[in-house]
Amino acid sequence: DAKTTQPPSMDCAEGRAANLPCNHSTISGNEYVYWYRQIHSQGPQYIIHGLKNNETNEMASLIITEDRKSSTLILPHATLRDTAVYYCIVSTSGSRLTFGEGTQLTVNP
Amino acid sequence: DAGVIQSPRHEVTEMGQEVTLRCKPISGHDYLFWYRQTMMRGLELLIYFNNNVPIDDSGMPEDRFSAKMPNASFSTLKIQPSEPRDSAVYFCASSLRGFRERNTEAFFGQGTRLTVV
Repeated sequence: DAKTTQPPSMDCAEGRAANLPCNHSTISGNEYVYWYRQIHSQGPQYIIHGLKNNETNEMASLIITEDRKSSTLILPHATLRDTAVYYCIVSTSGSRLTFGEGTQLTVNP
Repeated sequence: DAGVIQSPRHEVTEMGQEVTLRCKPISGHDYLFWYRQTMMRGLELLIYFNNNVPIDDSGMPEDRFSAKMPNASFSTLKIQPSEPRDSAVYFCASSLRGFRERNTEAFFGQGTRLTVV
């Protein structure tokens, strides 16, 4: 599986955009980038995924660089409920998701 | 749909006892995954099924662990005998398709917190 690198923690002010980076320099051409988050004690929750193009849904936007070696998850207006661990995953071998350590995002009032 | 349903939510058992965790995936989903989460090792994939057939069980830690999916709406993860180091949160997830395919997301249950004393 392609390895991802994320900062262990980030802070964001409530109402501001949260930009979470992820490096995946060994990604191959047919591998998707997935983002999940896990709010304390709950099961992980799907946010968004993409292959080459930028993607947007009701939760977030995903910006993937042209060389696909990195991506950024954007929460446009972070709220206190967005405090969670965010996982960037490059989906690969077989049909499974392999989680790394993720980024602990703390949204401050 | 009520989502992925796991039971029990909490389980406390004594070392050496058999433990059975249960999962009901979302109706119509072809894939089912069992994960384990600990502070030390994070989220680990134990095993996954496609159309009720185990595809990859390389994450199952030992022979003490076994998983079955007798039908499309039910799966079990059994630990026999249980040990204190098995204490963790166990998550079940299901998805419509595999992750090599577009428009696939996994839905996770709320987990079973297992404590082996």
